[in-house]
Amino acid sequence: AQSVSQHNHHVILSEAASLELGCNYSYGGTVNLFWYVQYPGQHLQLLLKYFSGDPLVKGIKGFEAEFIKSKFSFNLRKPSVQWSDTAEYFCAVGGYNKLIFGAGTRLAVHP
Amino acid sequence: GAGVSQSPSNKVTEKGKDVELRCDPISGHTALYWYRQSLGQGLEFLIYFQGNSAPDKSGLPSDRFSAERTGGSVSTLTIQRTQQEDSAVYLCASSLDPSRNSPLHFGNGTRLTVT
Repeated sequence: AQSVSQHNHHVILSEAASLELGCNYSYGGTVNLFWYVQYPGQHLQLLLKYFSGDPLVKGIKGFEAEFIKSKFSFNLRKPSVQWSDTAEYFCAVGGYNKLIFGAGTRLAVHP
Repeated sequence: GAGVSQSPSNKVTEKGKDVELRCDPISGHTALYWYRQSLGQGLEFLIYFQGNSAPDKSGLPSDRFSAERTGGSVSTLTIQRTQQEDSAVYLCASSLDPSRNSPLHFGNGTRLTVT
């Protein structure tokens, strides 16, 4: 079955701390991987994506993610978080006609 | 330009009533998706429209749910005989060219509450 698992439902960090959000997937076929972010009161928006090539992808606002095929993982990282990174983060996998989303991780960054 | 627009933003309805949720995609986007986000859960795929092709309805949870897309633009999601478990945020997204893996652009959603 196709699925996405996000290990952390809630994460609380202080500003300048490093961030890593876990994402594991189960999917048959060509893997396209995404991270979406939803800031408070805003709509979901794309943070970064991986289709092929360099498994380390960089997105907006200093975020990056690494695709590790052997571990079926696509973890999101940021070396130093800011208060403005407070949001909900969703990992997704799939083809162009259907994305399978994880349950999301709520990140709260305290000043 | 304008993003994906959904209406209403909030809808409270009584159990057993029918509801219609509307989505205006970004102009020129050929693909349109409906997702449902329940409390504490991820986004659940409902239906996908692409151009004039038959929609992918594989995610619709029951025959009480239906959707149409008129003229390749505006879409309406209809839920008949609503149940309390239908309470969720219904999200619409559009994409310019899915065959080129264009990203999904989401609307702000319609929060449906069934009492």
